[in-house]
Amino acid sequence: KNQVEQSPQSLIILEGKNCTLQCNYTVSPFSNLRWYKQDTGRGPVSLTIMTFSENTKSNGRYTATLDADTKQSSLHITASQLSDSASYICVVSVISGTYKYIFGTGTRLKVLA
Amino acid sequence: DAGVIQSPRHEVTEMGQEVTLRCKPISGHNSLFWYRQTMMRGLELLIYFNNNVPIDDSGMPEDRFSAKMPNASFSTLKIQPSEPRDSAVYFCASSPPGQPYEQYFGPGTRLTVT
Repeated sequence: KNQVEQSPQSLIILEGKNCTLQCNYTVSPFSNLRWYKQDTGRGPVSLTIMTFSENTKSNGRYTATLDADTKQSSLHITASQLSDSASYICVVSVISGTYKYIFGTGTRLKVLA
Repeated sequence: DAGVIQSPRHEVTEMGQEVTLRCKPISGHNSLFWYRQTMMRGLELLIYFNNNVPIDDSGMPEDRFSAKMPNASFSTLKIQPSEPRDSAVYFCASSPPGQPYEQYFGPGTRLTVT
């Protein structure tokens, strides 16, 4: 069964600290993996997208990694800011005749001053 | 660019009533997606259109849900009759030609069915 699991479910860190969010998937055949940031009351915003051949991709203070062998991805946030408080959603796409997306339930991050 | 526009932002209705949610995609985008988000199930893709044609509606929960895209700049998602379990935030997203994974989400419509 195609599944995407994220951990932790929630996380609280102090401003300026780093953190890493995890995404494990059992999706096949794999097409790509995306990380989204969703602020409260808003739609998700894409942070990174990685295909099978990509191991890492950065977007400012956000760095995503992908290990296609172990089917794991992580999102590392460096020098966290209060504005990083949001939910982070991992989405894996399946290769098929149409678009198939498997969504994780997200990690809720709270950055405290 | 105004981004994806959704209306209304909030909708409260009674069980059994018809609900219509509206979406205007980003100009020039040719794919449009409707999602539903709940605490229990997270984000779920309901249906998507390519060049105004419905491609995959396998995510639509049941016949009470229907979606249309009469032209490139407008889409609707209708629920008739609505039920309390339909309460959720409904998002519309669009993507440019050749980049179906670069989706831009609207602000969502929060639907409450009492």
